[in-house]
Amino acid sequence: NAGVTQTPKFRVLKTGQSMTLLCAQDMNHEYMYWYRQDPGMGLRLIHYSVGEGTTAKGEVPDGYNVSRLKKQNFLLGLESAAPSQTSVYFCASSYRNSLYGYTFGSGTRLTVV
Amino acid sequence: AQSVTQPDIHITVSEGASLELRCNYSYGATPYLFWYVQSPGQGLQLLLKYFSGDTLVQGIKGFEAEFKRSQSSFNLRKPSVHWSDAAEYFCAVAPSSARQLTFGSGTQLTVLP
Repeated sequence: NAGVTQTPKFRVLKTGQSMTLLCAQDMNHEYMYWYRQDPGMGLRLIHYSVGEGTTAKGEVPDGYNVSRLKKQNFLLGLESAAPSQTSVYFCASSYRNSLYGYTFGSGTRLTVV
Repeated sequence: AQSVTQPDIHITVSEGASLELRCNYSYGATPYLFWYVQSPGQGLQLLLKYFSGDTLVQGIKGFEAEFKRSQSSFNLRKPSVHWSDAAEYFCAVAPSSARQLTFGSGTQLTVLP
């Protein structure tokens, strides 16, 4: 039972490059989330989805786009990476809403130089 | 909007000693409250949650937390800390819609032998 899988685990980008982070869950969860974690700031919500084909902005959505074409996948895109986007990115999913508790992936460490 | 404050950035305790991690929230209605734990290089894991009812909730790994409405607090406790409890701990709050969690900035726990 894989749970939530994030790929890649590590990535170094040059400023201005684009990339997509993939999150896949095999638990048939409705809700999925992307957070970024920065030292001393906890986790901040970037975007989330309450079901296939839906997305919504979180606390820090600027510079990111997301898509949820399939229920099990939630993609996070950076169109033009900036050094301020250097962070650890976590994907999470939950059965119906946050009250069921999140299942987290192990994270993607992204460095933008 | 809801917010969560964890006033202690770093706490050090000796193995076998008791532990209390502080969490204060700001939210107009009765909140849904959570504690998560993050081991190094890992995603977050749910320790316990409070929705309503008994203000003392039990979680995994011997942790408990007490909801105090008058103090807007949800402190995490453990009677006797083990070396394996060394990790970062996050308090989180969900609004009544429960669509997403807002996390505190975290408390890093170091356990001395």
